[in-house]
Amino acid sequence: QVQLQQSGPGLVKPSETLSLTCTVSGYSISSGYYWGWIRQPPGKGLEWIGSIYRSGSTYYNPSLKSRVTISVDTSKNQFSLKLSSVTAADTAVYYCAREGKYYGSGSYYWLDFWGQGTLVTVSS
Amino acid sequence: SSELTQDPAVSVALGQTVRITCQGESLRSSYASWYQQKPGQAPVLVIYGKNNRPSGISDRFSGSSSGSTASLTITGAQAEDEADYYCNTRDSSDDRVFGGGTKLTVL
Repeated sequence: QVQLQQSGPGLVKPSETLSLTCTVSGYSISSGYYWGWIRQPPGKGLEWIGSIYRSGSTYYNPSLKSRVTISVDTSKNQFSLKLSSVTAADTAVYYCAREGKYYGSGSYYWLDFWGQGTLVTVSS
Repeated sequence: SSELTQDPAVSVALGQTVRITCQGESLRSSYASWYQQKPGQAPVLVIYGKNNRPSGISDRFSGSSSGSTASLTITGAQAEDEADYYCNTRDSSDDRVFGGGTKLTVL
């Protein structure tokens, strides 16, 4: 069974960089799939942050692109998120997830395995 | 990136059928995936692609699509189906986008 375990601090000061890591077990990142980060502000909906492939190619939400870096370490079977210059508006539960894609007739993608979520609060 | 629009709230009587919709231009070229989220829990994938259910998801859940609208149908809604539901797809730039979510109440 694929499992994603998130780690990282739950409190970040304004203007600093939020850093989270997602460790995958039960599946090798090197085998394929994309790996993504999603966040959810308290009481609000889901927002896609970005995704990365095993090769390191990335897609970022245009609204966050200037502040986001997603990286992958296949040797540790981990991928990571860095969000710089955080403000209170970045306070949210952050999730990592495995992302599948199909580009045949009628494309689609899906997020089939999720991490447990990490509440990150931006506050001094 | 494109937007996906969902009704904020929908209700259904126990045992009845309910349809939750998601509208957006990206859905004309890409299917939606659907997620169920209960309070304090991570989302769970319930439908993806044309109408695919992951292992372990009840066959009460089904998906369909027409034009710019994707739908999630729950046939014979149960109390445990009460949750928030989100649609999700990719746009022409291959960015991913979520709908705003629909809160389903089972009466």
